Amino acid sequence: GDSVTQMEGPVTLSEEAFLTINCTYTATGYPSLFWYVQYPGEGLQLLLKATKADDKGSNKGFEATYRKETTSFHLEKGSVQVSDSAVYFCALTANRDDKIIFGKGTRLHILP
Amino acid sequence: DTGVSQDPRHKITKRGQNVTFRCDPISEHNRLYWYRQTLGQGPEFLTYFQNEAQLEKSRLLSDRFSAERPKGSFSTLEIQRTEQGDSAMYLCASSPDRGRVNEQFFGPGTRLTVL
Repeated sequence: GDSVTQMEGPVTLSEEAFLTINCTYTATGYPSLFWYVQYPGEGLQLLLKATKADDKGSNKGFEATYRKETTSFHLEKGSVQVSDSAVYFCALTANRDDKIIFGKGTRLHILP
Repeated sequence: DTGVSQDPRHKITKRGQNVTFRCDPISEHNRLYWYRQTLGQGPEFLTYFQNEAQLEKSRLLSDRFSAERPKGSFSTLEIQRTEQGDSAMYLCASSPDRGRVNEQFFGPGTRLTVL
């Protein structure tokens, strides 16, 4: 079945470092891809999305490009901040019903 | 606040008891989803409503689980004869049905602890 695999955490970086969180997927058809973020004590929020191959989703300095040839959707940010500390989930929807399939999440710690 | 709300936020119960959670979606969102998230895992899909019709149920949703959405507004998720393995965060999300890909808006979740 459809699935998402993302790099395990926790990931610890210093402020202003470059961030990459790897994500690959398995799906039939043409899924839409997402990154969700869960800040401490808060609910899940959509961070960015891409709905077709070669699309780039971006928000709050984060970017991810839908790579069909490598079935990947890696999350990147050029300069992280302490406020980016959170759990990040890569996810996909493959059907019209928009049911989301999530990865296991990657916890990110940013040190000042 | 017009976001998705869930009640209660926390529930502690003894094994074998029944529990019921409520979700109020964003007004006019006709799709409603339930997910379950256990510690260290991503959320897993449980079930989905389009208006009042329950259109899909995951195999994770055993016969002890039942969900309803009367009148296509709020939804309830009931767990009968709770087991310790039911301890998790139960998330509700809603979305409109306006296009090919519709953003789901998540509530804060109900954390269930079964003793």
